[in-house]
This record gives sequence, structure tokens and C-alpha cells, in this order.
Amino acid sequence: DIVMTQSPDSLAVSLGERATINCKSSQSVFYSSNNKNYLAWYQQKPGQPPMLLIYWASTRESGVPDRFSGSGSGTDFTLTISSLQAEDVALYYCQQYYSGPQTFGQGTKVEIK
Amino acid sequence: QVQLVESGGGVVQPGRSLRISCAASGFTYSDYSMCWLRQAPGKGLEWVATVSYGGSDTYYADTVKGRFTVSRDNSKNTMNLQMNSLRAEDTAVYYCARAHLGTLVLSPLDYWGQGTLVIVSS
Repeated sequence: DIVMTQSPDSLAVSLGERATINCKSSQSVFYSSNNKNYLAWYQQKPGQPPMLLIYWASTRESGVPDRFSGSGSGTDFTLTISSLQAEDVALYYCQQYYSGPQTFGQGTKVEIK
Repeated sequence: QVQLVESGGGVVQPGRSLRISCAASGFTYSDYSMCWLRQAPGKGLEWVATVSYGGSDTYYADTVKGRFTVSRDNSKNTMNLQMNSLRAEDTAVYYCARAHLGTLVLSPLDYWGQGTLVIVSS
């Protein structure tokens, strides 16, 4: 199984500042035949189901604000919130869908400083 | 609009069975693979099972293989998870979710239900 490891486990950022979450996979999730990274990011607010933010490592899902961006390739990925808003307080998870079983990171909690 | 609604959760004794369901609406259900995932209290996300768009192929996490069975009825736009030999560690909120990539079984998940809570306790 591919193990997904996120860092940090939690971070506190001031409103309007940048938040950066890292995700590392135990093996590459890049498929060279289509030049795609099989990596997604989700946001989960308390008491709610997860919401898809980004897939193919950097493609924003429809309706997701452009302050959310994804980057990286191979085994190292980053979710960046360029200007943290109060409504961004949540848990964030990365997921690989390169090979079964699909696996998730342990989550990163984002709070306001 | 796309809607996924889970039902059937509750409290069940260890070793007993429970069936939970997911009712889908707002999209062409038979065009999408569907998944069950779970989240234990205060814990992260765990994929449980996937059923292909036609229902002929199913996939399971090792933690539930041999105990859980996923199925779907494309005529009724529903998906079920039959859970047998339940254990305390199966206690979680169970979510159904749609595969964003349609027919592919490995996919980001673009719509999720609100979840149904299963508690396994004597």
C-alpha cells in the first residue's frame, strides 16, 4: 500500500497570511504515460463530509476559490492557501488514487493564529 | 443537483450484522463508480469499498475483506454495504461518495453524503 504522510499535523496562520501543507507518498504517484500525478486534496470542516478541492495534484475543482492551489510531482506535494480566510479553518487531507487501495494522509488541522 | 443520502446506521453488538444504504440523485448513477469510506471518531479517512459503475466489480480494504459486501442497484440508484461480523473497530461514520472520474474505480471523490454513524458496542 502507498503510505501518505502529511506535515505538519497542525498549523496556525494569521488571517490573510499563507498556509502551506505538505504531503509525501511512499512511492511515486506520477503516471508517465499521461503525465499526471494521481493526487487529490480535500477540506473537511467539523461535522461535515470532506470536500474535494484539487485533483491531478493541481487542478482546482469547480467552485473552489483560487486562493487554494496544489503543486508537486512524484512523491512530494503541497497545498497552499495563499491568503487564509476564517472559513478555511478545517482539516485537510491528501489522497492518492494511483494504485489500490486508495489511501489518505493523516490530516492537517489549520487554525487561525 | 447531486445528492447522496446514507441511511441504516445505528448501534449493533459485536459479531452482529448491519446493512447501510446510499440513495443517489441528480446525476446518471450508472455512469459512475461509487465508494464507501469511513471515519472513526476523531480519526482520519479510510477507504472501505468500491463498486464499479455496472456493479460487476467490487474492491475492499483488507480490514473489511470477507466481512463486508458492497452492491448497487442501478435501476433504483442505490448502493448498499452489508456488514457482517462487526467489531468495535468498525465504529465510525460511514460515507458514500462518487468517483469524479466516472467509470474508473481509482478516482478522486467529488460528492459525499453526510454520513451515517455505526456504533459497534455491547
